[in-house]
Amino acid sequence: QITLKESGPTLVKPTQTLTLTCSFSGFSLSTSGEAVGWIRQPPGKALEWLALIYWDDGKRYSPSLKSRLTITKDTSKNQVVLTMTNMDPVDTGTYYCAHRGGNYYYTFHIWGQGTMVTVSS
Amino acid sequence: QSALTQPPSASGSPGQSVTISCTGTSSDVGSYNYVSWYQQHPGKAPKLMIYEVSKRPSGVPDRFSGSKSGNTASLTVSGLQAEDEADYYCNSYVGSSNFYVFGTGTKVTVL
Repeated sequence: QITLKESGPTLVKPTQTLTLTCSFSGFSLSTSGEAVGWIRQPPGKALEWLALIYWDDGKRYSPSLKSRLTITKDTSKNQVVLTMTNMDPVDTGTYYCAHRGGNYYYTFHIWGQGTMVTVSS
Repeated sequence: QSALTQPPSASGSPGQSVTISCTGTSSDVGSYNYVSWYQQHPGKAPKLMIYEVSKRPSGVPDRFSGSKSGNTASLTVSGLQAEDEADYYCNSYVGSSNFYVFGTGTKVTVL
């Protein structure tokens, strides 16, 4: 059974860097084909894909946010970390990590519960 | 990359059917059979309902079906039930650039 859980600060100040951790179980990011993605959702608004990291350490970023994002993995800890620099109030929202792999190679099958991040001074 | 376009709302009475459209471009929806649909209840994480245009994950009722024609994908919910009232989002994998784009979301109301 695959599970994911996001963790990180609930409140960050403008211009600060946000660091979020996705801890997962039920699969290994060292297995060919596996990947973990990050998606966010401002309050009352639509989902927005942010980043994806593959088993082979390949990384993909949203073109509009690429300059601010870094995604890394720690295979031994079953964790994926997303950092976002220069946070702004418009970055307020719920941040989700999700599993992509297996029979669901091109889709996000299992999602974490999400973590709410507020950007405010 | 712009968001895929969905109608803001859709509704139907219990037992009826509702169809939601998801319009992209020839660079995303039109080029790849990697369209997914997610259901999201208030305060909850999205749940995968359809993947690769028309496939259903295990456990998803067959009342949910997906299709695609050209640059537009569609999700149909047949035999509407009260628990189907939720927000629905489409999503497309863009292979040429190896990233994803989500739709603008549709709120489905069961009258």
